[in-house]
Amino acid sequence: DIQMTQSPSSLSASVGDRVTITCRASQSISSYLNWYQQKPGKAPKLLIYAASSLQSGVPSRFSGSGSGTDFTLTISSLQPEDFATYYCQQSYSRGRTFGGGTKVEIK
Amino acid sequence: QVQLVESGGGVVQPGRSLRLSCAASGFTFSSYAMHWVRQAPGKGLEWVAVISYDGSNKYYADSVKGRFTISRDNSKNTLYLQMNSLRAEDTAVYYCARDSEHIVVVTATEYYYYYMDVWGKGTTVTVSS
Repeated sequence: DIQMTQSPSSLSASVGDRVTITCRASQSISSYLNWYQQKPGKAPKLLIYAASSLQSGVPSRFSGSGSGTDFTLTISSLQPEDFATYYCQQSYSRGRTFGGGTKVEIK
Repeated sequence: QVQLVESGGGVVQPGRSLRLSCAASGFTFSSYAMHWVRQAPGKGLEWVAVISYDGSNKYYADSVKGRFTISRDNSKNTLYLQMNSLRAEDTAVYYCARDSEHIVVVTATEYYYYYMDVWGKGTTVTVSS
């Protein structure tokens, strides 16, 4: 099975900050990488698919990059509604494993 | 509008069974593969199972293989998860999710990128004596 490792597991940031979250795959997954946002008590929401494609309706301050084993989710200017937990997920194999999550908290 | 609604969760004793349902509306259900994803209290997301658009292919996480069965009824626009031999560690919110694809053509070769773009609100399963 492909293991996905996110870092950091949590971070504190202020409104307006640039935030970067990293995801590493245990083997090369090309660009088969998605990012989701989840707020407490809510279902996950798709942000980025195919490593760098922005899902319709998602603000352009969110961006994704990377290929192979190393990927990054960047929020260019953190907004109050962005405080949430973010998950990466690989879609290279049929077992669609998720990373452990990164909780973005208010500083 | 496009919607998924889970039901069937509840409190069940260890070793017992439960069947979850996921009712789809607003899209052509029979054209999409579907997933179950779960989240234990205070934990991250765990992929559970996937079923192809026509039900012919099914894959499971090792943690549920042999105990859980995913199925679908395209005539009823409904996805199911039959959960047998339940354990305390199966306690979680269970979400169903639609599997969509993005196709990229590079020098006449098609690459399919899959992602979960529609999610239900989840149904809670608690396994406890």
